[in-house]
Amino acid sequence: DTGVSQNPRHKITKRGQNVTFRCDPISEHNRLYWYRQTLGQGPEFLTYFQNEAQLEKSRLLSDRFSAERPKGSFSTLEIQRTEQGDSAMYLCASSFFGRSETQYFGPGTRLLVL
Amino acid sequence: AQTVTQSQPEMSVQEAETVTLSCTYDTSESDYYLFWYKQPPSRQMILVIRQEAYKQQNATENRFSVNFQKAAKSFSLKISDSQLGDAAMYFCAPSNFGNEKLTFGTGTRLTIIP
Repeated sequence: DTGVSQNPRHKITKRGQNVTFRCDPISEHNRLYWYRQTLGQGPEFLTYFQNEAQLEKSRLLSDRFSAERPKGSFSTLEIQRTEQGDSAMYLCASSFFGRSETQYFGPGTRLLVL
Repeated sequence: AQTVTQSQPEMSVQEAETVTLSCTYDTSESDYYLFWYKQPPSRQMILVIRQEAYKQQNATENRFSVNFQKAAKSFSLKISDSQLGDAAMYFCAPSNFGNEKLTFGTGTRLTIIP
């Protein structure tokens, strides 16, 4: 069990560019969650998957955000036409729904939009 | 929607002493989980302890224990024999029944005084 991994760990981009983040969950986990954390705040829910199905999206997830989990394993979060307000830490977590609903977090991807 | 209040933005405790972090929440659900996570500076979110709302017995994990008062919607964390490695931001997070998404408070920054 290698834990949840996220890549890249840091990303600096210019306003208007597109960025994509990747999350690899714990291998047997069927649920995968994305959260966003801004400085001095707790994480906020963005979206989650059960296997490959995206079951819920927060109102925080504007049309510029899209997430996929194509084979029910890793997931990607893409932000198009980035804005300075997108600067945050993007956290991924996974869990095994039906056995233990405890979410285990990755180290996060810190995004800075200039 | 759930709301979470952590009324202590910062706490400090002498090494080897005991400290209690408070958390209150609001939910309309009767069955849910509650979690405490810690987030050391520039490091990832780590699970501290978990409580099932249907269990009356308070959870304990080594030096960490909770005082769960379901009717009062209170979920405090007690850390005994505080150690330097306990220094972190602590987040209280109840989960929704069904989608299990976490709602985080604003956190309590815990400082350990040597």
